[in-house]
Amino acid sequence: DIQMTQSPSTLSAYVGDRVTITCRASQNTGSLLAWYQQKPGKAPNLLIYKTSTLESGVPSRFSGSGSGTEFTLTISSLQADDFATYYCQQYSSYSTFGGGTKVEIK
Amino acid sequence: QVQLQQWGAGLLNPSETLSLTCAVYGGSLNGYYWSWIRRPPGKGLEWIGEVHDSGGTNYSPSLKSRISMSVDSSKNQFSLKMRSVTAADTAVYHCVRNRGSDWKQRFFDNWGQGILVTVSS
Repeated sequence: DIQMTQSPSTLSAYVGDRVTITCRASQNTGSLLAWYQQKPGKAPNLLIYKTSTLESGVPSRFSGSGSGTEFTLTISSLQADDFATYYCQQYSSYSTFGGGTKVEIK
Repeated sequence: QVQLQQWGAGLLNPSETLSLTCAVYGGSLNGYYWSWIRRPPGKGLEWIGEVHDSGGTNYSPSLKSRISMSVDSSKNQFSLKMRSVTAADTAVYHCVRNRGSDWKQRFFDNWGQGILVTVSS
């Protein structure tokens, strides 16, 4: 199994901050990496797939980059609606998710 | 917009079989893989496996000995069965649509709201 490690597990930030979340894979996943946002009591919502392709309807302040084993999700200017938990997912070999990063209000 | 709604028993005793069904509204099963994903309390997401509208399946290696998935195209539904459950299987279970039918499209663009399944004696 490919293991996915996200960091940090918790992040405290202000509205307007630039935020970066990192995801590391135990093996090369190429570009087959997606990011999701989950709010309490809700299902996860797809933000980005294939490392950097923004899902339709997702604000442009979200962006993704990386390749191989190291990937990042960046929120260029954090908004109140962005406080949530974020997950990365590799789909190069079956599918595994990272442990999640909770973005909290500072 | 496709909507998914899952149902099944929410409380099981250890060693029983978990059985969940998901109905797809506003779209067809055709041309997609359909997955089950769970999130244990306080933990991250775990992909359980997927079933194609043709009936083909792929399962998580860690769970494949206990699970089976199937589709009922006449009802636009798909199902999950998991045998010999333990407390470690307590989780919110989501039914989910893969983006497509290719393995490079195994990311998830439509999710059911989820159902909490608790395993306890």
